[in-house]
Amino acid sequence: AQSVSQHNHHVILSEAASLELGCNYSYGGTVNLFWYVQYPGQHLQLLLKYFSGDPLVKGIKGFEAEFIKSKFSFNLRKPSVQWSDTAEYFCAVNAQSSASKIIFGSGTRLSIRP
Amino acid sequence: DAGVIQSPRHEVTEMGQEVTLRCKPISGHDYLFWYRQTMMRGLELLIYFNNNVPIDDSGMPEDRFSAKMPNASFSTLKIQPSEPRDSAVYFCASSRRGGTSDTQYFGPGTRLTVL
Repeated sequence: AQSVSQHNHHVILSEAASLELGCNYSYGGTVNLFWYVQYPGQHLQLLLKYFSGDPLVKGIKGFEAEFIKSKFSFNLRKPSVQWSDTAEYFCAVNAQSSASKIIFGSGTRLSIRP
Repeated sequence: DAGVIQSPRHEVTEMGQEVTLRCKPISGHDYLFWYRQTMMRGLELLIYFNNNVPIDDSGMPEDRFSAKMPNASFSTLKIQPSEPRDSAVYFCASSRRGGTSDTQYFGPGTRLTVL
């Protein structure tokens, strides 16, 4: 069965620090990968997604993620965070053999100190 | 487009009562998903529909939970009878095609508290 692991439950950074949130999945086949963000009091929004092609994916608000197939990883990065990036971040995977069913990680809460 | 609409936004009820959550997907989207979010279990897929037909309900926790989609613009998730462990935020999401290359758009969620 597919699963997604986000190892950091809560990350606290100062503004302008660099960010990397870890995401590992377990599935041997072809996958689609997503990062969703949930700002305080809001619903989940898609940050970026990977389906195929360039393993370095750029999303909104300066975020990017790199798919490393050999490591089953899809880490999220941002070179310089802002206070407005305070949110919960969810990594998700969808096995191409099970269309539509997306498995979410447990989420990482990011707190940015102004 | 107004996006995915859910109601109510907050629901407080007592154990044993019936609870009905409602969702209106984005117009033109063929797929609808129901998720539950808790601190302990994170975000779990409960059930999803394609063209109003339930496709996969393996995530529905038990028989107390049921979901329907009578038409393309409306779905309900019902819990009867409700229990305190059902307290969670329930999200509805929709997507245009639902396949592996499509994006799911989430509603604002319903925060359910069962006392």
